[in-house]
Amino acid sequence: AQSVTQLDSHVSVSEGTPVLLRCNYSSSYSPSLFWYVQHPNKGLQLLLKYTSAATLVKGINGFEAEFKKSETSFHLTKPSAHMSDAAEYFCVVSGSFSGGYNKLIFGAGTRLAVHP
Amino acid sequence: GAGVSQSPRYKVAKRGQDVALRCDPISGHVSLFWYQQALGQGPEFLTYFQNEAQLDKSGLPSDRFFAERPEGSVSTLKIQRTQQEDSAVYLCASSLGRWSSDSPLHFGNGTRLTVT
Repeated sequence: AQSVTQLDSHVSVSEGTPVLLRCNYSSSYSPSLFWYVQHPNKGLQLLLKYTSAATLVKGINGFEAEFKKSETSFHLTKPSAHMSDAAEYFCVVSGSFSGGYNKLIFGAGTRLAVHP
Repeated sequence: GAGVSQSPRYKVAKRGQDVALRCDPISGHVSLFWYQQALGQGPEFLTYFQNEAQLDKSGLPSDRFFAERPEGSVSTLKIQRTQQEDSAVYLCASSLGRWSSDSPLHFGNGTRLTVT
């Protein structure tokens, strides 16, 4: 079965400093991995996805993530945090279920706070 | 609008009442998902439609939950005899074709259900 573990429920950084949001996954086959962001009272937005191409994936708003199979990790990073990055971030793995269709399996989320 | 629309935005129900939550996917989108997001948790899969066919309902937590998409567009999630543990944000998402990990998934802003 597929699953994801987000290692930090809350992360707090100062504006202009690097961001690191950690995610480990468990999958019995080559997974597809995603990061989604959820701003208050807004819908989930896809930041980036990994689907077995390049291991370093660049997303929107300056975020990127690196797929490391040996470590079963897919950490999200950004060199310099902006106030507008404050939100809830979800690491997601694509699971499988009967019939050959995929569903998304979400981690519990990491709330990112950015201080001036 | 161009996005996935969900209504109502907020719903308060007394325990034991029935509720109906509506999802208007992006026009022409074939795939439609329902997710349940409890407070402080990541979204959890409820059910998946491809056009009008409900191909997977393995995530529905009990037989009080029922979803339909009779004409392959608008979907309704119905919860009968609501319980306090049903309090959550219910998210709808759609994508253009038969969904795969390469297909962009568009989320609505959700319906926040509070059962008192």
